[in-house]
Formats: sequence, structure tokens, C-alpha cells
Amino acid sequence: QVQLQESGPGLVKPSETLSLTCIVSGGSISSYHWTWIRQPPGKGLECMGNIYYSGNTNYNPSLKSRVTMSVDTSKNQFSLKLTSVTAADTAVYYCVRGQREGYFDPWGQGTLVTVSS
Amino acid sequence: QSVLTQPPSVSGAPGQRVTISCTGSSSNIGADFDVHWYQQLPGTAPKLLIYGNSNRPSGVPDRFSGSKSGTSASLAITGLQADDEADYYCQSYDNSLSGWVFGGGTKLTVL
Repeated sequence: QVQLQESGPGLVKPSETLSLTCIVSGGSISSYHWTWIRQPPGKGLECMGNIYYSGNTNYNPSLKSRVTMSVDTSKNQFSLKLTSVTAADTAVYYCVRGQREGYFDPWGQGTLVTVSS
Repeated sequence: QSVLTQPPSVSGAPGQRVTISCTGSSSNIGADFDVHWYQQLPGTAPKLLIYGNSNRPSGVPDRFSGSKSGTSASLAITGLQADDEADYYCQSYDNSLSGWVFGGGTKLTVL
């Protein structure tokens, strides 16, 4: 059974770069697409973008200038970088496996990242 | 402002039936993209509830069902139970945005 686990700093200063990694266990990363979804406190879900095991990416247009995703098939993990963060980027960040049919399953447990000085 | 529109809240008594609507447009649901539903229990990650408009993953009770028509979709929950209290999100693909989109979420309260 595939499991995903996010890791990274829980606190990032404004204007700095948020970096998270998602380790995939119980299955190979070398198929499907892999997605980052975030949820600000008390708000809804936002798809930030996805990366295929080949390295091809699709980013949310609203974040495109600040987002970079990468994949390391040798470590079975993928990563997110978000630059120039502000308080509006405070959210729980989930890494998720995207299915060919367009749905997301499974989800990581999520990690709260707070942007504050 | 979410691309897919859901009611902010719905409620029902134990044993009753409730429905949650998800309204889109001609660039997402109306463009024949599938609708998927997720359940988010308090303090936990969302969990896939319905995929491909009406399919239940293994382990999801048949009290949960989904449907789609035109530019809208619905999630129905029958035989409401206390542990159904959660936030529910619909999700689809939007070809004008070239990305996956979610509804704003609906909070279900079991009275």
C-alpha cells in the first residue's frame, strides 16, 4: 500500500523559500503523477501543480512564477520549492498521488508551514 | 472564489439523507471531465470518497453515492451517522485553466 510522507521546516520567514519533500513508500514513484495540494487554515484546497516521474511539470498559473517541483526516482521522492513566500502561503501542504483518471489518492498526512518572522 | 461551487454547509439528523451539490461550467464538469469527491474529517487529510462521478473505492460504504449531470454533480449520503460529520470537497479538471480544481467545500453537520 503506497504511503506518502511530507517533510520540511514548519516555519519560514517572509520573502524566503519554502522547501518540502515527499517520500513515497510501498510503491514506485516511476509511474503516475505526483501533486502538491495546500490548504490555508480554515479554508479550502488548492492544487499547486504536479510532476511526472519523467520530470515533466504542470504548475497552477497563479503560482507558476514561484513554484518549482522536482523528482528523484533513485530516492523515490519528489519535492516542492515556493519562493518569495508571504503570510498568504501559510497552509497545510499535502503531497498526493495523482491517478490517470484525474483523482488524487492516497494523500500524505500533511505538514503545516507557517510564514512568519 | 472557487471554480466549482458548493454550499458552505448542509445538515441532517441521524438516519436521514443529505445531498451536496457541486456546480461547474462548460470548461470543467460540462466539458465531460469526471468529478471526484473527498471527505475530510476534522484534523485529518482528505480521503477519496467517490471517483469517476459515481465509483466508490474499496472500503467506502454504499451509503455514499455520486452522480453527474450537465455542468453539475451531487454527492448523496444516506443513513446519516455521527461520524459522517466532516468537510466534503468536489474536484474536477478545468480545460480553460489547464489544471485540477476543487470546490470550496461543504461542512456536513449531523444534528
